[in-house]
Amino acid sequence: SQQGEEDPQALSIQEGENATMNCSYKTSINNLQWYRQNSGRGLVHLILIRSNEREKHSGRLRVTLDTSKKSSSLLITASRAADTASYFCATDAIGGGADGLTFGKGTHLIIQP
Amino acid sequence: DTAVSQTPKYLVTQMGNDKSIKCEQNLGHDTMYWYKQDSKKFLKIMFSYNNKELIINETVPNRFSPKSPDKAHLNLHINSLELGDSAVYFCASSQGTVTDTQYFGPGTRLTVL
Repeated sequence: SQQGEEDPQALSIQEGENATMNCSYKTSINNLQWYRQNSGRGLVHLILIRSNEREKHSGRLRVTLDTSKKSSSLLITASRAADTASYFCATDAIGGGADGLTFGKGTHLIIQP
Repeated sequence: DTAVSQTPKYLVTQMGNDKSIKCEQNLGHDTMYWYKQDSKKFLKIMFSYNNKELIINETVPNRFSPKSPDKAHLNLHINSLELGDSAVYFCASSQGTVTDTQYFGPGTRLTVL
């Protein structure tokens, strides 16, 4: 079964508003990462949060991790048109071995100017 | 200075053909990967390659074979192409294991007719 599941699948908000995306996973993890993919481009790493961390910040990004609920959230504050992209969470399962990073299906975020 | 580069960017070919996609990273990373992203944007790992150790996702058909002439290159060779192979293929690299941040190439859009 798929490890990471993002929610919602699509999100459209006005520029300046905050955007929150959620990720749920099924097995115990070493860390969880968030990536951004602009249309027609490769994925770009945003932030990595380890299983013993609960919150992490990077610029306008805030990531939380709740290992008891097996979920994470990505908050983008003061959104800009350039934030329009798909956002993926990726997990590496403890003992996952050949599974490597498992990506969710992503949340497509649209920022309306 | 492109960190992870792939060629070609687009590849259109007939069923049954054999094709290769090249990947190079100039980051000095030890591990390289190939991912397949389908039309629904689901990203799935195909291979990881570290210090001559190849880890294969068991769901990948043996028509797909990675070839690494040196640590900076991991090419993907595909035999007897099928319609279902149409997808975007991404190369990525990381410093160490799959738990590290991964750096992605721009992708190769493969269309099999």
